[in-house]
Amino acid sequence: LAKTTQPISMDSYEGQEVNITCSHNNIATNDYITWYQQFPSQGPRFIIQGYKTKVTNEVASLFIPADRKSSTLSLPRVSLSDTAVYYCLVGDRPLRNAGNMLTFGGGTRLMVKP
Amino acid sequence: SQTIHQWPATLVQPVGSPLSLECTVEGTSNPNLYWYRQAAGRGLQLLFYSVGIGQISSEVPQNLSASRPQDRQFILSSKKLLLSDSGFYLCAWSGGGKGYNEQFFGPGTRLTVL
Repeated sequence: LAKTTQPISMDSYEGQEVNITCSHNNIATNDYITWYQQFPSQGPRFIIQGYKTKVTNEVASLFIPADRKSSTLSLPRVSLSDTAVYYCLVGDRPLRNAGNMLTFGGGTRLMVKP
Repeated sequence: SQTIHQWPATLVQPVGSPLSLECTVEGTSNPNLYWYRQAAGRGLQLLFYSVGIGQISSEVPQNLSASRPQDRQFILSSKKLLLSDSGFYLCAWSGGGKGYNEQFFGPGTRLTVL
């Protein structure tokens, strides 16, 4: 399983762009990179997923360099409601007769201040 | 649309008592199902996953067990709870096709063992 490393916590202010970088040096060829968001006492929620280069949706952008050993989640113009824990995950290679298993690390606790 | 339910929402149990947490999914068939545990301030730990009725795979040896008596029902059990079993238990489902499948999480059960 590819292990991920990301900062434990980050602080930001409303209206700023936040970039959270994740390292995954042992990523496998078939692995996808996925980011989830979790608010207190709730289950994680899918934000964005990518395989290489750049992916953008209505919530965030995901930048993945050519070697895929890291990725950066970019949140444009954060608000107080973006305060949450953000998990970087590397999707396990799909196993025969098995589900896609995700390995959740400790995540990055983002605090957005007014 | 698909929905995932968990109950109870909160539970306080004495050490040595049994446990039964239930998870059900609506709006999809033959999902992959997962049980995670999250200790306070920590990341998610995958406990069990299932790709079909009666098929359970365990990721971490412990005093917990899981069962899938119906296609969209996933149960987490214990015969005797330990203090270390306290945590936030999350059930999730994903599609069962090839390739990466996003996982959708339930609202969780907060278990406190005293």
